Amino acid sequence: QKEVEQNSGPLSVPEGAIASLNCTYSDRGSQSFFWYRQYSGKSPELIMFIYSNGDKEDGRFTAQLNKASQYVSLLIRDSQPSDSATYLCAVNRDDKIIFGKGTRLHILP
Amino acid sequence: GAVVSQHPSRVICKSGTSVKIECRSLDFQATTMFWYRQFPKKSLMLMATSNEGSKATYEQGVEKDKFLINHASLTLSTLTVTSAHPEDSSFYICSPNYWGLAGSYEQYFGPGTRLTVT
Repeated sequence: QKEVEQNSGPLSVPEGAIASLNCTYSDRGSQSFFWYRQYSGKSPELIMFIYSNGDKEDGRFTAQLNKASQYVSLLIRDSQPSDSATYLCAVNRDDKIIFGKGTRLHILP
Repeated sequence: GAVVSQHPSRVICKSGTSVKIECRSLDFQATTMFWYRQFPKKSLMLMATSNEGSKATYEQGVEKDKFLINHASLTLSTLTVTSAHPEDSSFYICSPNYWGLAGSYEQYFGPGTRLTVT
């Protein structure tokens, strides 16, 4: 089992709708969780991190963490075409960040 | 968040030559630097981890004599691709470790260096 798993997509979402990105991880010892956005040809940009069970909101983004289920998600409200990118889920295990392969998100105008 | 710079952003070199990529943490000190490589439409691949003042640890399959990493200070790390070949053409990205104000561990990336070997 891969340490961090994401559906590669593409996930197509109409403009204005909620995009839901999911990620599971295998190591229960993982301490913190990150979502990065990567546009084609650019380096990843950290958009959210979460440590505790529950929801964390920042603008149109909400990260959700469920440690019992080893599941972390990212919701993007009011999706915009500029949100079209690859979203990388990552977990921190002993100060080493393990990345998933990313989900390609396509917002349909 | 943390500010990370990389130089150059883009470089074209001839096969057999060496290329040095610099990574700087501009507003914080980084004890650890991670170097990644990403081929087109592929995942990020961790190449090596370096700690300031000590030798880098390379991931399996990454040649330490080909990819020389120097982390001589807390704000500067360099990656030198020696005797570059076309298959080394890739996007190289550095990422220093960063501890936020609340003690949270975060990781930010440099803007990357696009290397093309002809």
